[in-house]
Order: sequence, then C-alpha cells, then structure tokens
Amino acid sequence: GEDVEQSLFLSVREGDSSVINCTYTDSSSTYLYWYKQEPGAGLQLLTYIFSNMDMKQDQRLTVLLNKKDKHLSLRIADTQTGDSAIYFCAETQGAGNMLTFGGGTRLMVKP
Amino acid sequence: NAGVMQNPRHLVRRRGQEARLRCSPMKGHSHVYWYRQLPEEGLKFMVYLQKENIIDESGMPKERFSAEFPKEGPSILRIQQVVRGDSAAYFCASSPRNRGDGYTFGSGTRLTVV
Repeated sequence: GEDVEQSLFLSVREGDSSVINCTYTDSSSTYLYWYKQEPGAGLQLLTYIFSNMDMKQDQRLTVLLNKKDKHLSLRIADTQTGDSAIYFCAETQGAGNMLTFGGGTRLMVKP
Repeated sequence: NAGVMQNPRHLVRRRGQEARLRCSPMKGHSHVYWYRQLPEEGLKFMVYLQKENIIDESGMPKERFSAEFPKEGPSILRIQQVVRGDSAAYFCASSPRNRGDGYTFGSGTRLTVV
C-alpha cells in the first residue's frame, strides 16, 4: 500500500475553509511538503514544514503536523475557485531525501 | 534564473521506439531526481543522480530504463523499446544540496506511447 495516504476528494464552497489531511509512515522524515497540481501542469510547491515544527502559517495556508500520529494537514482559508486542483503531500525518505508522495486529493471549489 | 527546464514538453513515440527525456537543473544545483506520474496517480520516485554518478536508482524499472547526469549538459532519462504502460508524465527536480528543502520541479515531459 501507499506509504503516504490522502483522501481522494474534497468539495467546498467558495469562501469556506478547506482542510486536506495526510498520513505518513516514516518517522525519520525531516521535511513534509504540500504541492499543488493543476490539470496538465507541473507541481507547484505551496509550503513545507520541518519535522521539529508543529505548525506553519503562510498567508491563507496553515500546516499542522502531529508527529505522534504521523498526521499532516493543510488548511486553506477563504477558499477560492482558483484553488481547485489536486493537492499532494510528500515526505522525504532515505539518505538521498527522495520524496514519497501521497496519491493526491482533488479539491473542488463551488462558487 | 530559468528554473528547472525539461524538454520536450510532450513526446509521442510508437511502441518499440526509444524515448529520451532531458532535464537541465537550476543553476548551481548538482542533485537531480526523476519522478514518474501515471494517469490519476501520485508521483513515484525513479532515480537520484549527482554529476556523473547514480546515487539511488531503487525506483527504476530493471529493464529498458536508464538515466545519466554527465559532467556537462542535461540529465537524460532514456527509455528503450517503449510500451503503452510507459505513457506517463515524467518530472525532474533539482536541489542544491541533499537536504530536502531546496527542491524545484520542472514542468514535466508527457510521454504518450501509441
């Protein structure tokens, strides 16, 4: 099975908050990431959190990390239609810090 | 700084042909990673290279796939005798150091095997 797991789909109304969840398995991961991918496009790094942090806030984005439960979440405040995309969480693994990605959560924002 | 450049953006090959995908890392980045994204899936690690060295190829299929990062020029991912199942988006990322906080991804090459 996947080392990093995410729910497949999330639908919210414009202006609401979105919370995308992720569980990971490697407790030695040093960095955890959130990427955004729009259809047919590459990956856009949204934010990352170092493993010794519990929370990181960057404008509308808030990342929460629960190391005990190996749970990572991304909260998007005041979600806009332009936020509709697939969101991937990823963790670093191995001596080479390769990324292991979740399967992605498709966020749909309804006007 | 042009970012990570991948070309071509789209590549169509017939079954049995060879596909060569190129990745030029960001200036000053000496670590290159290749990932593959199958349709409707997340990205899977393939190979990690530094200049003239393959550091970790644990994600590469055992046959038909090879990668290099020569002293001069871009990193190349080569797929010989392509099959339909190789159709995917191939992403390259580069980093200035092996620490995980400097990753930059290219826009990808979308390979279609017909």
